[in-house]
Amino acid sequence: QVTLKESGPVVVKPTETLTLTCTVSGFSLNNTRMGVIWIRQPPGKALECLAYIFSNNEKSYSISLKSRFTISKDTSKSQVALTMTNMDPMDTATYFCARLLRRTSLSSYYYMDVWGKGTTVTVSS
Amino acid sequence: DIQMTQSPSTLSASVGDRVTITCRASQSISRWLAWFQQKPGKAPNLLIYDASTLESGVPSRFSGTGSGTEFTLTISSLQPDDFATYYCQQYNIYWTFGQGTKVEI
Repeated sequence: QVTLKESGPVVVKPTETLTLTCTVSGFSLNNTRMGVIWIRQPPGKALECLAYIFSNNEKSYSISLKSRFTISKDTSKSQVALTMTNMDPMDTATYFCARLLRRTSLSSYYYMDVWGKGTTVTVSS
Repeated sequence: DIQMTQSPSTLSASVGDRVTITCRASQSISRWLAWFQQKPGKAPNLLIYDASTLESGVPSRFSGTGSGTEFTLTISSLQPDDFATYYCQQYNIYWTFGQGTKVEI
């Protein structure tokens, strides 16, 4: 059974750095058909993709948020971490991680098939 | 960025109704589109990928059609468990979501 679980602080202060961890099970972060992506959802708003990472360590970030984000993985621990600097109240949201899957090794298109339950982060002084 | 626009934003329906939600992409995305269902306080749940392929375990009353820039999600006979918010998402270039369609009583 494939599962993902987000963890990290519930409350952070403005200007602080936040690190969230996504712990996966049921698949390997070395699998070349898979990756992990972080998504967030501010209260009452739509979903926004933040960053992703693949098995070959290829990674990318939302253009608007790129300078503040770092994504990394520890395959031995089955974990993907997302670090966000200079947190702002506008970053208050539920943060999800999800598995990216491509149907075959020849496909270049990854969709999100399994999500974690999410972790809510509030930025407040 | 590829923009995804859903319509309507809110849809009022009754149990047993046939419901259709439309999603338009700002440029062609071929068939690289997914539909998700989200209930309050929960993570989105994948319903359909590749525009029309039903995810394993998803009831057959859900179906998806379309390619290029125009897509639809249809629920053939709305059930009580289907009242939720639905999102389309393109994965042709990076990933972007529509703004959501809330299906309510």
